[in-house]
Amino acid sequence: DARVTQTPRHKVTEMGQEVTMRCQPILGHNTVFWYRQTMMQGLELLAYFRNRAPLDDSGMPKDRFSAEMPDATLATLKIQPSEPRDSAVYFCASGQGDRQYFGPGTRLTVT
Amino acid sequence: AQSVTQPDIHITVSEGASLELRCNYSYGATPYLFWYVQSPGQGLQLLLKYFSGDTLVQGIKGFEAEFKRSQSSFNLRKPSVHWSDAAEYFCAVGYQAGTALIFGKGTTLSVSS
Repeated sequence: DARVTQTPRHKVTEMGQEVTMRCQPILGHNTVFWYRQTMMQGLELLAYFRNRAPLDDSGMPKDRFSAEMPDATLATLKIQPSEPRDSAVYFCASGQGDRQYFGPGTRLTVT
Repeated sequence: AQSVTQPDIHITVSEGASLELRCNYSYGATPYLFWYVQSPGQGLQLLLKYFSGDTLVQGIKGFEAEFKRSQSSFNLRKPSVHWSDAAEYFCAVGYQAGTALIFGKGTTLSVSS
C-alpha cells in the first residue's frame, strides 16, 4: 500500500528554535495539504499545493511559518521561531482527484 | 463560509448496538462530504464520501452515511458496533474535488462491553 510518510513523528523543542517537518506524498499525487490538529481548534488547513505550486496558505501565520515543495517527492513545513502555541499534531495529506490520504502526523511540543 | 458541526463530542455505545454520529454542514451548494476515522496516534482514514447521486453511501468497515439536503446533514451509521470501532470520527466538507477540507471538531466513540 502506498502511504504518505512524515518525519519526524515526534519533536520536542524549545521556544525560539527552528522546526522543520517533512512529508513524502504518495507518488503520482498532485496535491499536498498541511493540516494542524489541536484540542482547541480541531483540524485546520495551513496550506496546500497543486503540482508543487502553492494554492492557499491563508491558514498559516506568515511571520513564522513557511511551506514549500522543493520537488514532487518532498513537502516541507518550517516554523521559525517556534512558540509554545505551535504545539500540535501536524498532518500532511496528498491527493489525486477527490480523495486525500493522510500521513501519521508529526507531534510537535514546544516548551 | 463553509462550516461543519458535529454536535456530539463523546458517545458511548454498547458492543453490538447500532450507532449514529451526527454531522451538519453549512454551505450554499451541494458540497463534497466525507467521514474520516482516527485511531489514537494515527492519521485519518477515509470511511466514505458523497458527491452526488444516491444519497445513501456505503463505506468501509460496515459504515454508511445518508445525505439529507433538507436538513443539511450527513450522518454516519453502523448497524452493529464492534469494540475495534472505538476511535474519533470526523465529518468534513469540501467545495470541490481536490480542494482543502473543512473538518468538524470530531466525535469520540467509546464502545462498552
